[in-house]
Amino acid sequence: AQKVTQAQTEISVVEKEDVTLDCVYETRDTTYYLFWYKQPPSGELVFLIRRNSFDEQNEISGRYSWNFQKSTSSFNFTITASQVVDSAVYFCALSPYNNNDMRFGAGTRLTVKP
Amino acid sequence: DGGITQSPKYLFRKEGQNVTLSCEQNLNHDAMYWYRQDPGQGLRLIYYSQIVNDFQKGDIAEGYSVSREKKESFPLTVTSAQKNPTAFYLCASSVPRGGYGYTFGSGTRLTVV
Repeated sequence: AQKVTQAQTEISVVEKEDVTLDCVYETRDTTYYLFWYKQPPSGELVFLIRRNSFDEQNEISGRYSWNFQKSTSSFNFTITASQVVDSAVYFCALSPYNNNDMRFGAGTRLTVKP
Repeated sequence: DGGITQSPKYLFRKEGQNVTLSCEQNLNHDAMYWYRQDPGQGLRLIYYSQIVNDFQKGDIAEGYSVSREKKESFPLTVTSAQKNPTAFYLCASSVPRGGYGYTFGSGTRLTVV
């Protein structure tokens, strides 16, 4: 069975602070994909990143960075120098390597205050 | 541009009425999904379809029905049997292979009045 846990229900920070969103997953598969999505107030989920289980390199994209650690089954997401526009619900998700069955975490609501 | 269109954006329903939410995609995706999201909650899968003329129940299918007569369309009917239908409904689509993720529509907010 596959499961994704986002233990942080809500996080509130002040603009320019760094913030890390945690994601822990469970799977019996040896190969799989991990994703992060952003859901702004408009409602649509927007794809942020995909990582396959073969690649444990951390990734940085502007103010966003992702830390994938297979040993701890975690795929954490850090926003550096947060901005008000980062306020959204963020979902972590897991899918097997060979099919499109995707499991979402419960989401973390991030509020960035000016 | 390819994408998923959900309509309407806001929908009001009287108790006891059925209502149908539209989801259309032009991404040529085989698989389509319906999720329900309640305030402060995550996504719960209602129905999904991997191919035309076939669909499967998700975790919370009771009180809902779907059809998949065309590849690009996957309408969701919220029936009067759904006791608490007020929620945000999201439609998504994907290719039938791992690793591609889902593309989401902008959602329909349904309110029972």
